[in-house]
Amino acid sequence: QVQLVESGGGVVQPGGSLRLSCAASGFTFSSYGMHWVRQAPGKGLEWVAFIRYDGSNKYYADSVKGRFTISRDNSKNTLYLQMNSLRAEDTAVYYCAKVRGYSLDYWGQGTLVTVSS
Amino acid sequence: QSALTQPRSVSGSPGQSVTISCTGTSSDVGGYNYVSWYQQHPGKAPKLMIYDVSKRPSGVPDRFSGSKSGNTASLTISGLQAEDEADYYCCSYAGSSVVFGGGTKLTVL
Repeated sequence: QVQLVESGGGVVQPGGSLRLSCAASGFTFSSYGMHWVRQAPGKGLEWVAFIRYDGSNKYYADSVKGRFTISRDNSKNTLYLQMNSLRAEDTAVYYCAKVRGYSLDYWGQGTLVTVSS
Repeated sequence: QSALTQPRSVSGSPGQSVTISCTGTSSDVGGYNYVSWYQQHPGKAPKLMIYDVSKRPSGVPDRFSGSKSGNTASLTISGLQAEDEADYYCCSYAGSSVVFGGGTKLTVL
């Protein structure tokens, strides 16, 4: 069965950096695009970034462009999100999700990132 | 990348039907047949309920249906059950990005 397990969240000061990981299993990771989606406490879902199955193309929300970098290691079945210059408004649960066509069919349980001094 | 517009809340009694709307623009909802809907219970990850406007993944009850007209997509839940009480989000492909709706809280009375 498909499993996505995020890790790497925690508390970081404004201006700091954090790298999130998403370990995938139960499907051929190298064949699917992947998304990062976040959800601020008590708020709705916000798309963050997408990477194609082979890493050839990456797309970002305007709110994180230039600060966040999505990447993947298909040999390790792992998706990453490098987050730099973090701001208080980046505080959220971060989910990784697998692509099904133009939808997101499997989601991890999320990892909480808190940006606070 | 403006969020799609959903009603903040809807409600219905068990057995009734409810419809949640999702309004975008010609650059997202109206421009592609790639609207999806997600159900999220408190403290849980979102779950895909509808994709490509009206298709249901395996395991999703046929009480859930989707449609689209112009720049507005809709999710209809018929025969409401207590376990349908949750937050629902629409989502649309928008070219080089993806955009979500603000979410709708469904209350089963």
